[in-house]
Amino acid sequence: SQQGEEDPQALSIQEGENATMNCSYKTSINNLQWYRQNSGRGLVHLILIRSNEREKHSGRLRVTLDTSKKSSSLLITASRAADTASYFCATGEGGSEKLVFGKGTKLTVNP
Amino acid sequence: NAGVTQTPKFQVLKTGQSMTLQCAQDMNHNSMYWYRQDPGMGLRLIYYSASEGTTDKGEVPNGYNVSRLNKREFSLRLESAAPSQTSVYFCASSEALRAPGGNQPQHFGDGTRLSIL
Repeated sequence: SQQGEEDPQALSIQEGENATMNCSYKTSINNLQWYRQNSGRGLVHLILIRSNEREKHSGRLRVTLDTSKKSSSLLITASRAADTASYFCATGEGGSEKLVFGKGTKLTVNP
Repeated sequence: NAGVTQTPKFQVLKTGQSMTLQCAQDMNHNSMYWYRQDPGMGLRLIYYSASEGTTDKGEVPNGYNVSRLNKREFSLRLESAAPSQTSVYFCASSEALRAPGGNQPQHFGDGTRLSIL
């Protein structure tokens, strides 16, 4: 079953603009993770935010978490063509090692 | 620093054939995973191994078997391939679950693209 669901499914912006994608989940979590997948490659871990954190930054990435709304957002500032990829959120399931991934947001950054 | 290595990268099978997908990690991780990725479906967990010597079913285990050969290697076997198993298969690894931090980041290989005719 899908725990996280990203929104929008696809996003197209111009280089230099900001990109925001959202993730909603269903059950309580310990942390929420965001991953990037370039075409033809495996997923790469970007950032992890714990349930007791509200915001986290890493370079041009900013992640927020609202546990009351069971939602998270990933903001990429000053986007570059190299940011073109699919972005996935993932949450843990019931205290096991398993992560459940959403279906992803496909971001296209036009030069 | 190889990380997670998957072999082969591409494979074409005929219906009914069998094959084993190989995965090895060099990060000394305890946990390993097999996913399949289909268009519009995201990643779905097939099997995982929380530690050496243990394996558990994920969301879509039917038609697959796994072997945790040692701490480094985790293989996925298709005994009798079916067209519905055409997909991209990803192996991943992570450190063990920690309390209270929860799930650790997963490290992925670049996938095996499998077509079954």
